[in-house]
Amino acid sequence: AQKVTQAQTEISVVEKEDVTLDCVYETRDTTYYLFWYKQPPSGELVFLIRRNSFDEQNEISGRYSWNFQKSTSSFNFTITASQVVDSAVYFCALLSSNTGKLIFGQGTTLQVKP
Amino acid sequence: GAVVSQHPSWVICKSGTSVKIECRSLDFQATTMFWYRQFPKQSLMLMATSNEGSKATYEQGVEKDKFLINHASLTLSTLTVTSAHPEDSSFYICSARDFGGSLNEQFFGPGTRLTVL
Repeated sequence: AQKVTQAQTEISVVEKEDVTLDCVYETRDTTYYLFWYKQPPSGELVFLIRRNSFDEQNEISGRYSWNFQKSTSSFNFTITASQVVDSAVYFCALLSSNTGKLIFGQGTTLQVKP
Repeated sequence: GAVVSQHPSWVICKSGTSVKIECRSLDFQATTMFWYRQFPKQSLMLMATSNEGSKATYEQGVEKDKFLINHASLTLSTLTVTSAHPEDSSFYICSARDFGGSLNEQFFGPGTRLTVL
């Protein structure tokens, strides 16, 4: 079975704090892809990152960074020096190379207060 | 590039009527499109996979006679909610896979908010 778990339902931080959003996944596939999306109040999904199962290198993009650890089946997302504009729902997702289907986690609502 | 549009962006209808939602890939050809449903404060749930020129594949628990999907061309898929009821009120999002692109990439539309009175 394939599953994505985002244990944090809601997180609230004050601007400029660092925050980490957790994502744990389950799959029996050897080839798979992991994603993070941002969903602002408008509803439109914003693609943040895609990682394939063979690439465990951590990635940094501006204030965003991702930590992929196959040993713990985790793909965590850290926002450094958070800003009010980062307030949104963030989804972690798993794509099976066998089925081509995206499976989303439950989402984490991040509120950044000024 | 890789833009997906949805029309309408929102719709309000009376219970018992049917509503059609369009999903278009604007600058690429999409052999496969996906339809998701998202209830308030919940995650996206895949409803069906739509392949151009063939019948859609529905996920378990999704009524195929209620949610009619037509993927008549490489740039257009439609979802028709037949005899809509208030419990069908939701945010419907489509995504498209580029025919000439990577199998691991889906491009999402902006979503359609359906309210059934």
